[in-house]
Amino acid sequence: AQTVTQSQPEMSVQEAETVTLSCTYDTSESDYYLFWYKQPPSRQMILVIRQEAYKQQNATENRFSVNFQKAAKSFSLKISDSQLGDAAMYFCAYRGSGGSNYKLTFGKGTLLTVNP
Amino acid sequence: GAVVSQHPSRVICKSGTSVKIECRSLDFQATTMFWYRQFPKQSLMLMATSNEGSKATYEQGVEKDKFLINHASLTLSTLTVTSAHPEDSSFYICSARDEGADNIQYFGAGTRLSVL
Repeated sequence: AQTVTQSQPEMSVQEAETVTLSCTYDTSESDYYLFWYKQPPSRQMILVIRQEAYKQQNATENRFSVNFQKAAKSFSLKISDSQLGDAAMYFCAYRGSGGSNYKLTFGKGTLLTVNP
Repeated sequence: GAVVSQHPSRVICKSGTSVKIECRSLDFQATTMFWYRQFPKQSLMLMATSNEGSKATYEQGVEKDKFLINHASLTLSTLTVTSAHPEDSSFYICSARDEGADNIQYFGAGTRLSVL
C-alpha cells in the first residue's frame, strides 16, 4: 500500500520569506499523481498544486512550486514571498495512475504559521 | 477550479436521530464522490467511495449501516448518519472527482456534526 509521510508537523515562516514543506512517499507504481492541498482555518480543502510522475519538469503555480525527485520519492512544496493568507494546514497526497483507483492517500499534514 | 457544495455546514442533533449531509458538484458531473471524516488536528480519513448508480464501497472498519451513502445522480451524493451518537460527532468532508479535469478531487467545505 502507498504511504505518504510529512515529517514536519509544524513550520513557521516570516511574511515575505520562503518556506519549504517536505513530503516523501512510498509506492511500487511507476505512474501516479502527487498533490498539495491547503486547509485554512475555514477547513475548506483547496488544491494548491499537482504533479504527474511522468513529467520531469517541476510544477509551478505562481508563488508555489514543487521539487519532485522521483528516484528519491520526494515531493516538497516551496512557498515564495509568504503571505499571511498562506497560513494553513498543508496536506501532501498521492493518487495512483488510474483504473478504479482514484483514491487519495494523504499525509498527516504540516501546520504552517506565517508571522507578520 | 470546479465547485463542490456541501450542506449543511453545521448540524446539531439529539442522540438517536438521523442526519443527512448533501454533496453536490455544481459545474461538472461526478460519477465518483468520496466521503471523509476528519478528527481535530488530524488528516482526512476516507470513509467510502460513492459511485453513481451503484453501491458505495466502504473502507475497512466503517459501518455500512451507520453511514448510508446514496449517489442517485451525477451531481449529488448524500451521507446519512443513522441513529447518531455522541461518538459520531466529527467533521465530515466530501469530494467529487472531475473526469474532465484529470480526475482531480475537488472538496466541499465540510459539515461539522455535533450529537448531543
